[in-house]
Amino acid sequence: EAQVTQNPRYLITVTGKKLTVTCSQNMNHEYMSWYRQDPGLGLRQIYYSMNVEVTDKGDVPEGYKVSRKEKRNFPLILESPSPNQTSLYFCASSSGVGLGYEQYFGPGTRLTVT
Amino acid sequence: AQSVTQLGSHVSVSEGALVLLRCNYSSSVPPYLFWYVQYPNQGLQLLLKYTSAATLVKGINGFEAEFKKSETSFHLTKPSAHMSDAAEYFCAVEDTGGFKTIFGAGTRLFVKA
Repeated sequence: EAQVTQNPRYLITVTGKKLTVTCSQNMNHEYMSWYRQDPGLGLRQIYYSMNVEVTDKGDVPEGYKVSRKEKRNFPLILESPSPNQTSLYFCASSSGVGLGYEQYFGPGTRLTVT
Repeated sequence: AQSVTQLGSHVSVSEGALVLLRCNYSSSVPPYLFWYVQYPNQGLQLLLKYTSAATLVKGINGFEAEFKKSETSFHLTKPSAHMSDAAEYFCAVEDTGGFKTIFGAGTRLFVKA
């Protein structure tokens, strides 16, 4: 089954404790992206990756890091989480970008930073 | 930069009534436009998309949307609401730079029995 998986689905952590949210897709997609969803703000892009070893900032990259060492994986790293990073996070992938490609979304990771 | 405006953060309709969710975009060139739906505790999934092939786009679950360039609108409609349509709906536009998608704030649809 074609899918995007994220782990963990729920995470409660404390300020400053490094964490990683994993994302994996099995569709051989080149383009991957991380979004955060906040009430009234919709989805805002954090980082995206055009291919292995190619990443770039989205609209709200502060406080986040990513890496793309393999095509299928695109982990999101919060090196020193703060309460304003409490949010619902989605990973997405698509076979391309720029020509109206559909994005496939993971189930989401709900992060709470206390 | 492109932007997307969804009018109404919440819309409530009765079962069997017309569903109309509004979306306006800002773009100087015809964009790629999308509607995604998010059911509770799930990720987003594509309802339909406009890629300039036809102005009236049909999607899954009986939804359709019409691209109106003169109004810079891409409103989503469904003739008869069903309880299972209760969800949050996001309009989105692909940035003219082509590297990212801009999402609206979302409209939560409630369907009353």
